[in-house]
Amino acid sequence: HVQLQESSPGLVKPSQTLSLTCNVSGASINNGVYYWTWIRQPAGKGLEWIGRIYTTGSTNFNPSLKSRVTISLDASQNQFSLTLTSVTAADTAIYYCARLTEWLHVDSWGRGTLVTVSS
Amino acid sequence: QSVVTQPPSASGTPGQRVTISCSGSNSNVGSNFVYWYQQVPGAAPKLLIYRNDRRPSGVSDRFSGSKSGTSASLVISGLRAEDEADYYCATWDDGLRGVFGTGTKVTVL
Repeated sequence: HVQLQESSPGLVKPSQTLSLTCNVSGASINNGVYYWTWIRQPAGKGLEWIGRIYTTGSTNFNPSLKSRVTISLDASQNQFSLTLTSVTAADTAIYYCARLTEWLHVDSWGRGTLVTVSS
Repeated sequence: QSVVTQPPSASGTPGQRVTISCSGSNSNVGSNFVYWYQQVPGAAPKLLIYRNDRRPSGVSDRFSGSKSGTSASLVISGLRAEDEADYYCATWDDGLRGVFGTGTKVTVL
C-alpha cells in the first residue's frame, strides 16, 4: 500500500523559493510504471495541476507556472521534490503530492501541506 | 482560470439524481479521457471515475460517468447526505498539461 507524505516548509517569504519534498513509502518511485505529480489548492478554491515527473526524469508543467517550477526525483531516497521560485501571496495553497497511473488518474494522494507566502 | 468549466453548484434532496457537467474543448475533453474526483472538506480528493465511465473498485455504483464530444457528465443517483462535497472533473490537454475543471459544490437539501 503506497503512502505519500509532503514535507512542510509552512511559511515562505515573498520573492523567495518554495521547496517541498514528497516521501514515498510502500512502492518504488523508480519502477517505471507511474508518474509523480504535484497539485495545489488555494483556500476555498479549486485544484490546480502543477506538473509531473516520470522515472526517466521527463517532466511536464502547467504553462502558467512553467517558468518558475522545477520537479525532480531522487530514487535513492524514494522521494520527489517541487521547487517554485519567486513566490507571491497567490502561491499560498495546500500542496498535494500524488501518484499518477496515467494522464490525470491519481490513485494515491499525500495528505497535503499548507504553504503560506507572507512576510 | 481553468479552460474546463463546471457549474459552481448543484443540489438535490435525498434519493434524487444529480448531474454535473464538465465542458471543455477539442484539445482536452474532446480528445482525452475524463476523470472525476470527490473532495470533502479537509481531505484530499478521491477518484470516482476514470477513463470517462469506469469506476475504481470500492466506489459506489451510484456514481456514473459519461462523455460526448467536448462535454462529460457525472451522475449521482440516489443522492445521500454523505455525497455533499466538491466534485472536479479532470483531463489532459494536448498541450501536454493536466487540467482540472472549475469544480461543483453539491449540496444535499
